[in-house]
Amino acid sequence: NAGVTQTPKFRILKIGQSMTLQCTQDMNHNYMYWYRQDPGMGLKLIYYSVGAGITDKGEVPNGYNVSRSTTEDFPLRLELAAPSQTSVYFCASSYSQPSYGYTFGSGTRLTVV
Amino acid sequence: AQTVTQSQPEMSVQEAETVTLSCTYDTSESDYYLFWYKQPPSRQMILVIRQEAYKQQNATENRFSVNFQKAAKSFSLKISDSQLGDAAMYFCAYRLYSGGGADGLTFGKGTHLIIQP
Repeated sequence: NAGVTQTPKFRILKIGQSMTLQCTQDMNHNYMYWYRQDPGMGLKLIYYSVGAGITDKGEVPNGYNVSRSTTEDFPLRLELAAPSQTSVYFCASSYSQPSYGYTFGSGTRLTVV
Repeated sequence: AQTVTQSQPEMSVQEAETVTLSCTYDTSESDYYLFWYKQPPSRQMILVIRQEAYKQQNATENRFSVNFQKAAKSFSLKISDSQLGDAAMYFCAYRLYSGGGADGLTFGKGTHLIIQP
């Protein structure tokens, strides 16, 4: 029962580099989300998906891209890393019924230097 | 847009005492859900308790309970018999019930809870 698995757990990028944060869930959840957490700022929604092939922007989408080719996977792509993208990134999933909370991954700490 | 406000950046409580964390939210909707999440130093987000807005009865999970005041848009978390393992960041979150969209969670900025031995 893995839940939501995020990789990597830590990463240091240089300005202008690209990378993909991986997220996989094995609970057959329809909805998946990417959040970023900055110190003292709570969590902010980057992108979300309500099912395979469907994605939409959240509150802070600039500088990121996502895809959802399967129910299980929801990778987050950073194309040209900037220092402002230094943050902790969380992937989460849920059933469509809003009474359920989310199941979160363990997070990825990304530093852009 | 919905907003969630946690006015206490940090709280401290003696072990075995009771502490209450505050949360207020702003919404024009009538059907929604409220949650408290715990984030220990491990960084993992853990669901503590949930409350449906249509239920008047306050939710309780063991030592954790809420005081939900819908008219006041207030949703406080009470932790009884505080334990060292309760030390963490606590986030209040709101989720709209619309039945169709993704209805992402809106989070407050968090309250850092310190447990004094």
